[in-house]
Amino acid sequence: DGGITQSPKYLFRKEGQNVTLSCEQNLNHDAMYWYRQDPGQGLRLIYYSQIVNDFQKGDIAEGYSVSREKKESFPLTVTSAQKNPTAFYLCASSIELTGTDTQYFGPGTRLTVL
Amino acid sequence: GENVGLHLPTLSVQEGDNSIINCAYSNSASDYFIWYKQESGKGPQFIIDIRSNMDKRQGQRVTVLLNKTVKHLSLQIAATQPGDSAVYFCAESENNAGNMLTFGGGTRLMVKP
Repeated sequence: DGGITQSPKYLFRKEGQNVTLSCEQNLNHDAMYWYRQDPGQGLRLIYYSQIVNDFQKGDIAEGYSVSREKKESFPLTVTSAQKNPTAFYLCASSIELTGTDTQYFGPGTRLTVL
Repeated sequence: GENVGLHLPTLSVQEGDNSIINCAYSNSASDYFIWYKQESGKGPQFIIDIRSNMDKRQGQRVTVLLNKTVKHLSLQIAATQPGDSAVYFCAESENNAGNMLTFGGGTRLMVKP
Protein backbone atom coordinates (compact mmCIF):
# COMPACT_ATOMS: atom_id res chain seq x y z
CA ASP A 1 0.00 0.00 0.00
CA GLY A 2 3.03 2.29 0.12
CA GLY A 3 2.47 5.71 1.59
CA ILE A 4 -1.21 5.93 0.75
CA THR A 5 -3.81 5.54 3.46
CA GLN A 6 -7.57 5.36 3.19
CA SER A 7 -10.10 5.55 5.95
CA PRO A 8 -12.31 4.10 7.09
CA LYS A 9 -11.78 0.52 5.89
CA TYR A 10 -15.52 -0.21 6.12
CA LEU A 11 -18.29 2.36 5.91
CA PHE A 12 -22.03 1.95 6.17
CA ARG A 13 -24.43 4.58 4.97
CA LYS A 14 -28.15 5.00 5.05
CA GLU A 15 -29.89 5.94 1.86
CA GLY A 16 -30.06 9.68 1.36
CA GLN A 17 -26.89 10.43 3.32
CA ASN A 18 -23.69 11.89 1.99
CA VAL A 19 -20.45 10.26 3.12
CA THR A 20 -16.83 11.30 2.70
CA LEU A 21 -13.98 8.87 2.13
CA SER A 22 -10.51 9.92 3.15
CA CYS A 23 -7.33 9.48 1.11
CA GLU A 24 -3.93 10.70 2.28
CA GLN A 25 -0.51 10.19 0.73
CA ASN A 26 2.98 11.09 1.98
CA LEU A 27 4.75 10.25 -1.26
CA ASN A 28 4.89 13.87 -2.41
CA HIS A 29 2.93 12.87 -5.51
CA ASP A 30 1.22 15.57 -7.52
CA ALA A 31 -1.46 13.39 -9.10
CA MET A 32 -4.22 11.55 -7.26
CA TYR A 33 -7.10 9.39 -8.43
CA TRP A 34 -10.31 7.79 -7.21
CA TYR A 35 -11.58 4.52 -8.62
CA ARG A 36 -14.63 2.41 -8.00
CA GLN A 37 -14.51 -1.39 -8.12
CA ASP A 38 -17.57 -3.61 -8.26
CA PRO A 39 -17.43 -7.36 -7.49
CA GLY A 40 -15.56 -9.32 -10.13
CA GLN A 41 -14.86 -6.25 -12.20
CA GLY A 42 -12.01 -3.95 -13.04
CA LEU A 43 -11.48 -0.41 -11.84
CA ARG A 44 -13.40 2.58 -13.15
CA LEU A 45 -12.13 6.12 -12.80
CA ILE A 46 -14.32 8.54 -10.82
CA TYR A 47 -12.20 11.67 -10.47
CA TYR A 48 -8.57 12.63 -10.77
CA SER A 49 -6.44 15.56 -9.76
CA GLN A 50 -3.28 16.75 -11.42
CA ILE A 51 -2.31 19.25 -8.77
CA VAL A 52 -3.62 21.11 -5.76
CA ASN A 53 -6.90 22.96 -6.37
CA ASP A 54 -7.42 21.15 -9.65
CA PHE A 55 -9.52 18.09 -10.40
CA GLN A 56 -11.29 16.56 -13.38
CA LYS A 57 -14.16 14.14 -13.89
CA GLY A 58 -13.38 10.60 -14.84
CA ASP A 59 -15.64 8.09 -16.53
CA ILE A 60 -18.25 7.77 -13.77
CA ALA A 61 -18.25 11.08 -11.86
CA GLU A 62 -22.02 11.46 -11.50
CA GLY A 63 -23.08 11.40 -7.86
CA TYR A 64 -19.57 12.03 -6.55
CA SER A 65 -17.57 15.12 -5.60
CA VAL A 66 -13.96 15.74 -4.61
CA SER A 67 -11.68 18.47 -3.34
CA ARG A 68 -7.92 18.94 -3.43
CA GLU A 69 -7.05 21.65 -0.95
CA LYS A 70 -3.78 20.03 0.06
CA LYS A 71 -1.26 18.08 -1.98
CA GLU A 72 -1.42 15.07 0.32
CA SER A 73 -5.20 14.82 0.61
CA PHE A 74 -7.92 13.99 -1.92
CA PRO A 75 -11.23 13.22 -0.16
CA LEU A 76 -14.15 11.75 -2.09
CA THR A 77 -17.76 12.50 -1.17
CA VAL A 78 -20.41 10.03 -2.22
CA THR A 79 -23.61 12.01 -2.44
CA SER A 80 -27.22 10.90 -2.22
CA ALA A 81 -27.41 11.42 -5.98
CA GLN A 82 -25.26 8.34 -6.55
CA LYS A 83 -27.82 5.66 -7.43
CA ASN A 84 -25.78 2.59 -6.59
CA PRO A 85 -22.98 3.57 -4.21
CA THR A 86 -22.25 0.17 -2.68
CA ALA A 87 -18.76 -0.69 -3.92
CA PHE A 88 -15.07 -0.88 -3.07
CA TYR A 89 -13.40 2.53 -3.45
CA LEU A 90 -9.73 2.83 -4.24
CA CYS A 91 -7.50 5.88 -4.13
CA ALA A 92 -4.22 6.06 -6.02
CA SER A 93 -1.43 8.53 -6.62
CA SER A 94 1.41 9.03 -9.06
CA ILE A 95 4.32 11.43 -9.36
CA GLU A 96 2.69 13.33 -12.17
CA LEU A 97 -0.39 13.19 -14.35
CA THR A 98 1.45 13.69 -17.60
CA GLY A 99 3.49 10.93 -19.11
CA THR A 100 3.21 7.41 -17.83
CA ASP A 101 3.98 7.28 -14.13
CA THR A 102 3.12 4.25 -12.06
CA GLN A 103 -0.02 4.62 -9.99
CA TYR A 104 0.19 3.31 -6.44
CA PHE A 105 -2.97 2.32 -4.62
CA GLY A 106 -4.27 2.62 -1.10
CA PRO A 107 -5.91 -0.26 0.80
CA GLY A 108 -9.44 0.75 -0.17
CA THR A 109 -12.72 1.58 1.56
CA ARG A 110 -15.70 -0.72 1.29
CA LEU A 111 -18.91 1.30 1.29
CA THR A 112 -22.24 -0.39 1.93
CA VAL A 113 -25.57 1.38 1.67
CA LEU A 114 -28.14 0.00 4.08
CA GLY B 1 -14.19 2.01 -27.86
CA GLU B 2 -10.66 1.00 -27.01
CA ASN B 3 -10.41 -1.51 -24.20
CA VAL B 4 -8.15 -3.89 -22.43
CA GLY B 5 -9.37 -7.40 -21.81
CA LEU B 6 -8.23 -10.77 -20.53
CA HIS B 7 -8.54 -14.18 -22.16
CA LEU B 8 -9.20 -16.25 -19.02
CA PRO B 9 -11.16 -15.16 -15.98
CA THR B 10 -9.78 -17.95 -13.75
CA LEU B 11 -6.48 -19.81 -13.85
CA SER B 12 -5.74 -22.75 -11.59
CA VAL B 13 -2.16 -24.00 -11.26
CA GLN B 14 -0.26 -26.44 -9.12
CA GLU B 15 2.17 -25.03 -6.58
CA GLY B 16 5.63 -24.94 -8.11
CA ASP B 17 4.42 -24.72 -11.68
CA ASN B 18 4.79 -21.66 -13.84
CA SER B 19 1.75 -19.43 -14.44
CA ILE B 20 0.96 -17.40 -17.51
CA ILE B 21 -1.74 -14.74 -17.42
CA ASN B 22 -2.71 -13.15 -20.70
CA CYS B 23 -4.11 -9.79 -21.67
CA ALA B 24 -5.22 -8.38 -25.01
CA TYR B 25 -5.46 -4.70 -25.78
CA SER B 26 -6.92 -2.86 -28.73
CA ASN B 27 -5.46 0.63 -28.54
CA SER B 28 -2.52 0.63 -30.93
CA ALA B 29 -1.38 3.94 -29.42
CA SER B 30 -0.88 2.42 -25.96
CA ASP B 31 2.71 2.76 -24.90
CA TYR B 32 2.74 1.82 -21.24
CA PHE B 33 1.52 -1.39 -19.67
CA ILE B 34 1.34 -2.44 -16.07
CA TRP B 35 0.37 -5.50 -14.07
CA TYR B 36 -1.25 -5.29 -10.67
CA LYS B 37 -1.96 -8.02 -8.11
CA GLN B 38 -5.01 -7.64 -5.90
CA GLU B 39 -5.63 -9.84 -2.90
CA SER B 40 -9.12 -10.11 -1.48
CA GLY B 41 -10.24 -6.92 0.27
CA LYS B 42 -7.02 -5.05 -0.50
CA GLY B 43 -5.87 -2.43 -2.97
CA PRO B 44 -4.00 -3.41 -6.15
CA GLN B 45 -0.29 -3.89 -5.69
CA PHE B 46 2.14 -2.96 -8.44
CA ILE B 47 3.98 -5.97 -9.86
CA ILE B 48 5.79 -4.93 -12.99
CA ASP B 49 5.48 -2.55 -15.90
CA ILE B 50 6.79 -2.30 -19.44
CA ARG B 51 6.98 0.43 -22.02
CA SER B 52 6.30 -0.05 -25.69
CA ASN B 53 9.95 0.25 -26.67
CA MET B 54 10.60 -3.09 -24.95
CA ASP B 55 9.22 -6.58 -25.56
CA LYS B 56 10.33 -8.24 -22.35
CA ARG B 57 11.04 -7.21 -18.82
CA GLN B 58 11.94 -9.36 -15.84
CA GLY B 59 11.45 -8.92 -12.15
CA GLN B 60 11.72 -11.22 -9.21
CA ARG B 61 9.98 -14.44 -10.34
CA VAL B 62 7.89 -12.43 -12.81
CA THR B 63 8.34 -11.65 -16.48
CA VAL B 64 6.17 -9.44 -18.65
CA LEU B 65 6.11 -10.01 -22.40
CA LEU B 66 4.73 -7.49 -24.84
CA ASN B 67 3.84 -8.34 -28.43
CA LYS B 68 2.84 -5.11 -30.12
CA THR B 69 2.18 -6.81 -33.42
CA VAL B 70 -0.79 -8.72 -32.05
CA LYS B 71 -1.47 -6.33 -29.15
CA HIS B 72 -0.88 -8.96 -26.51
CA LEU B 73 0.57 -8.73 -23.03
CA SER B 74 1.39 -11.60 -20.70
CA LEU B 75 2.56 -12.04 -17.14
CA GLN B 76 4.63 -15.09 -16.33
CA ILE B 77 5.11 -16.16 -12.73
CA ALA B 78 7.82 -18.71 -12.09
CA ALA B 79 7.47 -21.40 -9.43
CA THR B 80 4.01 -20.24 -8.41
CA GLN B 81 3.42 -20.16 -4.66
CA PRO B 82 0.22 -20.13 -2.59
CA GLY B 83 0.88 -16.47 -1.81
CA ASP B 84 0.52 -15.70 -5.50
CA SER B 85 -3.19 -16.52 -5.32
CA ALA B 86 -4.97 -13.28 -6.17
CA VAL B 87 -6.66 -11.41 -9.01
CA TYR B 88 -4.27 -9.99 -11.56
CA PHE B 89 -5.12 -6.92 -13.61
CA CYS B 90 -3.43 -5.56 -16.65
CA ALA B 91 -3.73 -1.87 -17.45
CA GLU B 92 -2.55 0.32 -20.26
CA SER B 93 -2.15 3.99 -20.97
CA GLU B 94 -1.19 6.25 -23.78
CA ASN B 95 1.54 8.79 -23.18
CA ASN B 96 -0.24 11.53 -25.07
CA ALA B 97 -3.40 10.99 -23.05
CA GLY B 98 -1.85 11.75 -19.70
CA ASN B 99 -1.60 9.10 -17.05
CA MET B 100 -5.04 7.63 -17.49
CA LEU B 101 -5.00 3.88 -17.03
CA THR B 102 -7.53 1.59 -18.67
CA PHE B 103 -7.95 -1.61 -16.69
CA GLY B 104 -8.86 -5.07 -17.85
CA GLY B 105 -11.45 -7.12 -16.00
CA GLY B 106 -8.93 -9.25 -14.08
CA THR B 107 -7.88 -12.91 -13.93
CA ARG B 108 -8.14 -14.91 -10.74
CA LEU B 109 -5.10 -17.10 -10.11
CA MET B 110 -5.67 -20.06 -7.82
CA VAL B 111 -2.67 -22.03 -6.63
CA LYS B 112 -3.29 -25.61 -5.55
CA PRO B 113 -0.97 -27.04 -2.89
